[in-house]
Amino acid sequence: GQQVMQIPQYQHVQEGEDFTTYCNSSTTLSNIQWYKQRPGGHPVFLIQLVKSGEVKKQKRLTFQFGEAKKNSSLHITATQTTDVGTYFCAGPTRYSTLTFGKGTMLLVSP
Amino acid sequence: NAGVTQTPKFQVLKTGQSMTLQCAQDMNHNSMYWYRQDPGMGLRLIYYSASEGTTDKGEVPNGYNVSRLNKREFSLRLESAAPSQTSVYFCASSGRTALPTSYEQYFGPGTRLTVT
Repeated sequence: GQQVMQIPQYQHVQEGEDFTTYCNSSTTLSNIQWYKQRPGGHPVFLIQLVKSGEVKKQKRLTFQFGEAKKNSSLHITATQTTDVGTYFCAGPTRYSTLTFGKGTMLLVSP
Repeated sequence: NAGVTQTPKFQVLKTGQSMTLQCAQDMNHNSMYWYRQDPGMGLRLIYYSASEGTTDKGEVPNGYNVSRLNKREFSLRLESAAPSQTSVYFCASSGRTALPTSYEQYFGPGTRLTVT
């Protein structure tokens, strides 16, 4: 079945440093979604990318969808303590469900 | 709008006990989902309901049953709880998917279940 892999599993940065998490799918995706889960919280939708090579920005967050639509990345510029959490990518299946990656946990030290 | 609500928030069960986790959404969404989240394992789909009246197995359905009671409510039942079912359970809902785009999923606050 479809697999979505994320690296790294954990990342610990100093506040102000940049952060990137990568997502790779075993199959071509029609779109990819990103979610953020704060410690003790629930996943919250961030964004969806649909087009090959698409780049979207949300303030300090930059999301990219690969040309082959099999990989994606999330880059955070100048991390803040409010960025702490686990970031998940997810790709749709043909059954109208999502396959989630295992997530990248971001820790930010002040 | 409350979004997606789940009850209870916390539960401790003994091995062999049964319980039902309740989920309701007020966004008029067609699709509803149950996930479990374990450390290092991400979100794994247990069961889903693409529309009212249908339910289907996800990645890890063994030991669980579901009921789509109506468009708003989707419950998850553990008939005979086992320690391996200790986890955090999330319910989610979404609108109808029309690829290439997909409607985002909205998650409830979760139920933290411990089976001893």
